[in-house]
Amino acid sequence: NAGVTQTPKFQVLKTGQSMTLQCAQDMNHEYMSWYRQDPGMGLRLIHYSVGAGITDQGEVPNGYNVSRSTTEDFPLRLLSAAPSQTSVYFCASSSGYNYGYTFGSGTRLTVV
Amino acid sequence: GNSVTQMEGPVTLSEEAFLTINCTYTATGYPSLFWYVQYPGEGLQLLLKATKADDKGSNKGFEATYRKETTSFHLEKGSVQVSDSAVYFCALRGRAAGNKLTFGGGTRVLVKP
Repeated sequence: NAGVTQTPKFQVLKTGQSMTLQCAQDMNHEYMSWYRQDPGMGLRLIHYSVGAGITDQGEVPNGYNVSRSTTEDFPLRLLSAAPSQTSVYFCASSSGYNYGYTFGSGTRLTVV
Repeated sequence: GNSVTQMEGPVTLSEEAFLTINCTYTATGYPSLFWYVQYPGEGLQLLLKATKADDKGSNKGFEATYRKETTSFHLEKGSVQVSDSAVYFCALRGRAAGNKLTFGGGTRVLVKP
C-alpha cells in the first residue's frame, strides 16, 4: 500500500500564479483533509471531505478550492498564490471515527 | 467548538529521563483522542490513540490515558532516547461536524545524550 501520496514535494510559485496540489490515497478511506503547517502555529485545517462529492470548509479556507470527484483523490487548488500561502501542506485520510488520520509526506510551497 | 491545549515547548531532557507532555481538551460529547509525532522534515505519524474514557493507548514505550473527569490525555514515557527528539501533537476527533481532527499547537522535545 502506498498510503497517502502527495505531489509535488516542493514547489516555488510567483505571486498570482495558480496551481494544484495533488493528493491520492489507496486505502478506500471516506474522510480526507488538507492542513497547512506554519512555523509556531501547528496545523490548521483548510478543507475537508466526508466522501466523494462532499466537501466543506475548515479553519482557513480563503484562497483555496477543493473537489472530491472520486474516493481516492482530493486535490487542493490555489487560485492566485500569495506570499501568505507559503507553508507546508499536508493531506490526510481516514476511515471511521475511532481511527486516526494517515498523513502524506507533505508539499513545501514557497510563494515569491 | 472543539479545542486542544498542550504544553508549550521546547522540552529539553537528558537520555533516560522521564517525559510528560500535558494535553487537555474541550469537546462536546465523547471524542476520540490521539497523539501524533513529527520527526524533522517528515509528515505526521500516529503514535497512539484512545477512543473512550479510561482507555490507555500505548506504543513504542509511550502511554496516554483518556481521563474524562479531567478532560486530559497526557503523554508519558519512562526513559527517553535521543531518537525520541521530535514534535508531538495531541489531537481529538469529534463525532459531529465531519469527524474533523483538531490539533493542539505541538510540543517540541529535544533529548540530549
